[in-house]
Amino acid sequence: ETGVTQTPRHLVMGMTNKKSLKCEQHLGHNAMYWYKQSAKKPLELMFVYSLEERVENNSVPSRFSPECPNSSHLFLHLHTLQPEDSALYLCASSATGTYKSPLHFGNGTRLTVT
Amino acid sequence: GESVGLHLPTLSVQEGDNSIINCAYSNSASDYFIWYKQESGKGPQFIIDIRSNMDKRQGQRVTVLLNKTVKHLSLQIAATQPGDSAVYFCAEWGEYGNKLVFGAGTILRVKS
Repeated sequence: ETGVTQTPRHLVMGMTNKKSLKCEQHLGHNAMYWYKQSAKKPLELMFVYSLEERVENNSVPSRFSPECPNSSHLFLHLHTLQPEDSALYLCASSATGTYKSPLHFGNGTRLTVT
Repeated sequence: GESVGLHLPTLSVQEGDNSIINCAYSNSASDYFIWYKQESGKGPQFIIDIRSNMDKRQGQRVTVLLNKTVKHLSLQIAATQPGDSAVYFCAEWGEYGNKLVFGAGTILRVKS
C-alpha cells in the first residue's frame, strides 16, 4: 500500500470518449501532482495543486482537465484524446512547508487510446 | 537529470556486489535531490534524498553522493540483491517553483 491510490489501474478508451482518472492520498499531504510517463520520455509534470489551488500547468493540452476538490483527492478528466496520449499517468502527493519534501507516487493508470 | 532519449542506460551487477548509479543534473540552482526506484507495474518509490548543503547521506544499504561542482549525483547500493532490480531515477528540485524534474532513468539488473 503506497498511501496514494489511483483508479482505474488500466483504461482503454476511444478518441471520442470522456473518462476520468481518480487519485486519493491518505498521507495528510497538501500538494498533489499529475505526471505522464511514456516510453520515449522521462516523467513529465502535468499539473500541480497546492492547498487545492492549481499552481502549475505545464503547457498541457486542454483535452486534459484536472480537478482537486479537496487536499485528499485529485482527478484528471479526459476527452477527445489522441493515440499519442497513451501512457502511464501517475499521481503523487507531498507535504508543503518551509522545506521541500519527497513526492509519494501511486501505481498509476495505464491509459491506452485507440 | 538529462534525457538520454529512447534507450535507458543499463547497469548489470552480480548479486552481492555493490552498485553505483550516476546522474548528471542540469540546474546549478537546484537545491534538493531525490532518488526513486520503479519496479515493473508500480509507481516510483522514494529511496533517499539529499539537500544541497550536504555532499553525502546514508540510508539502509544506500548512499547518495552529491558533487555540486560538476552537477553530479550518485546512488550507491551495497550488497545488491535481486529485489533491487528496477529502473532508478534521479530527480532535482529547483530553488524556486513547484517542479520536481526527473532524469531518464537507469535500468539495474542483478544477476544471481
